[in-house]
Order: sequence, then structure tokens, then C-alpha cells
Amino acid sequence: KQEVTQIPAALSVPEGENLVLNCSFTDSAIYNLQWFRQDPGKGLTSLLLIQSSQREQTSGRLNASLDKSSGRSTLYIAASQPGDSATYLCAVRPANTDKLIFGTGTRLQVFP
Amino acid sequence: AAGVIQSPRHLIKEKRETATLKCYPIPRHDTVYWYQQGPGQDPQFLISFYEKMQSDKGSIPDRFSAQQFSDYHSELNMSSLELGDSALYFCASSSADRGRWEQFFGPGTRLTVL
Repeated sequence: KQEVTQIPAALSVPEGENLVLNCSFTDSAIYNLQWFRQDPGKGLTSLLLIQSSQREQTSGRLNASLDKSSGRSTLYIAASQPGDSATYLCAVRPANTDKLIFGTGTRLQVFP
Repeated sequence: AAGVIQSPRHLIKEKRETATLKCYPIPRHDTVYWYQQGPGQDPQFLISFYEKMQSDKGSIPDRFSAQQFSDYHSELNMSSLELGDSALYFCASSSADRGRWEQFFGPGTRLTVL
């Protein structure tokens, strides 16, 4: 059974710091992995998608890497801003399924 | 850019009542997914449809049913509502664009069962 874990559960940093959020999954048979952002009580915004054959994806200040064999992904946020404050969720799509299995999230607070 | 539309955004029901949630996918997206997010929990997959056919099923109670219509919109029907059904219900959509199947989520419907 696929399980997804995110570390740390919460993070509070001053503005301007570079951050690394970690995601690990137990079964390497995945189709893709997505990183999402969720503001309190709001929907999920897709940040990056990495196909199982890819190693990394970049979008603006965000960079996500994938090491499928070791069951790990990291989300790197450069030059963090207060507007980055939110919960970040990683989700894996197991092979041969439609569903995303979500991690428990990292709650990020960036203070000025 | 157009996003996934869900209605209603908020719904309050009594126990044992029924509820219908609607989802309008991003134009030209052919797959719709439903997720349930309880308070303080991560989203849990319920069911998905591809080209109007059920394509995958998760932990969806027998009291719930869903379908996708010819215009690709989808409805989640919930009967005999229980207090534990109170949650945020998300719809997501995707297409096979470049084989990516990236899921884009709607804003959610917050269901409160009293």
C-alpha cells in the first residue's frame, strides 16, 4: 500500500531564506508526482508535476526533484516571501490508477 | 485561464438528507476526479470518470454515487447524509495532454451536515 510522508510537518522562516520541503513514498511504481499549495480552507493549486521518467521540474522560484528509486521528492523554494505562506502537499499517482495519494503536508510560514 | 468550477460552494444539510454537488471541468478536459478532505486531513480519492465512464474507484461510501454527463460535467450524489460526511469536496479535471494527466483542482464545496 502506497504511503506518502512529508517532513517537516511545519516550518517557520524569515523572508528571503531558501527552503527545502521533503516528500517520501513507499512504492516506486508511480506514474507521476505533483506538488500542490493549499491556503487555509481553500482549494489546491498545482505547482509542479514530475513524470516518473523525469528528474526535476522548475517553475519560477520553485524547483522539484524526483528520485523514484529511493522514493523521494524535494521541493526547493528560493528567496521565500510572506506570500509563500501556505500548506504544501505532495501527491503521487500510483501506476495503473487515477487517484492521487497525498502526503500530510508541510505548513509553511514566512515572516517579514 | 478557465479553471474547474464547483457548485455550490457551501452547503448545509440535516442528517439523512441528500445532497448533489456539481463539477464543471476545464474545457477540453475529459477526466474528472472527486476527492473528500475532512477537517485537518489530506484529500482522499473517491471516484473518477474518463469519457463518461467510471475509470477508478476509491473509498467512496455506497450511499454516494456519481456520474459524468455528455458535456463532461460531473455530479456527486450523496444520500442518507451523516455527521461524518461534513468535509470539503474537491473536483479535479485533467486531459492526456502530452501524457501528463496533471490534475487541476476546483475551489471545493464545503458540506456541513447538522
